[in-house]
Amino acid sequence: DADVTQTPRNRITKTGKRIMLECSQTKGHDRMYWYRQDPGLGLRLIYYSFDVKDINKGEISDGYSVSRQAQAKFSLSLESAIPNQTALYFCATSDPSGRRTDTQYFGPGTRLTVL
Amino acid sequence: EDKVVQSPLSLVVHEGDTVTLNCSYEVTNFRSLLWYKQEKKAPTFLFMLTSSGIEKKSGRLSSILDKKELFSILNITATQTGDSAVYLCAVCPSGTYKYIFGTGTRLKVLA
Repeated sequence: DADVTQTPRNRITKTGKRIMLECSQTKGHDRMYWYRQDPGLGLRLIYYSFDVKDINKGEISDGYSVSRQAQAKFSLSLESAIPNQTALYFCATSDPSGRRTDTQYFGPGTRLTVL
Repeated sequence: EDKVVQSPLSLVVHEGDTVTLNCSYEVTNFRSLLWYKQEKKAPTFLFMLTSSGIEKKSGRLSSILDKKELFSILNITATQTGDSAVYLCAVCPSGTYKYIFGTGTRLKVLA
């Protein structure tokens, strides 16, 4: 089974709808991240969390919110989706105590289309 | 402003060629630099570099970091069609751990 899972894998929605993307991990890592990827722009950090009580904004947090329900779960919400939020979204984890302390492990991605 | 710049943006080579991908960075409080390979799905880890001048190797891939000149290179020798992917470079600063990614280099290896 995959260590980092994301649901849904694909989603098409309409402008103004509320959308939640979910991420679960079985790696036991404390740190979790949400990124979006757009063609030509690489990966950009939306939010990150170092534990259940720690939530931090990334470089492009406007229009997004997150919830860290448990160590293993980190959800990303779009309160009112707009077309320029169409992108590929990745969840990632990292373990500061591990041998590869800064390595991030990515989920399979969610392709979101906002019409 | 912290930034990571990769070059070239894209590259087309033939099987058997050797390629060098570049990553330069300007980051406050550098901690580590990471290389990932992204095919049609999630990025997968290749190397983590923290010290200057120490080459990391894995088969035909190798990477080295120059902390004085603020860059890293990823070399791929004897390229194969399976090396076709986007190669991402990311820098992890100490303190915030807000990873900064470059835009990637898209490599296509022709048979």
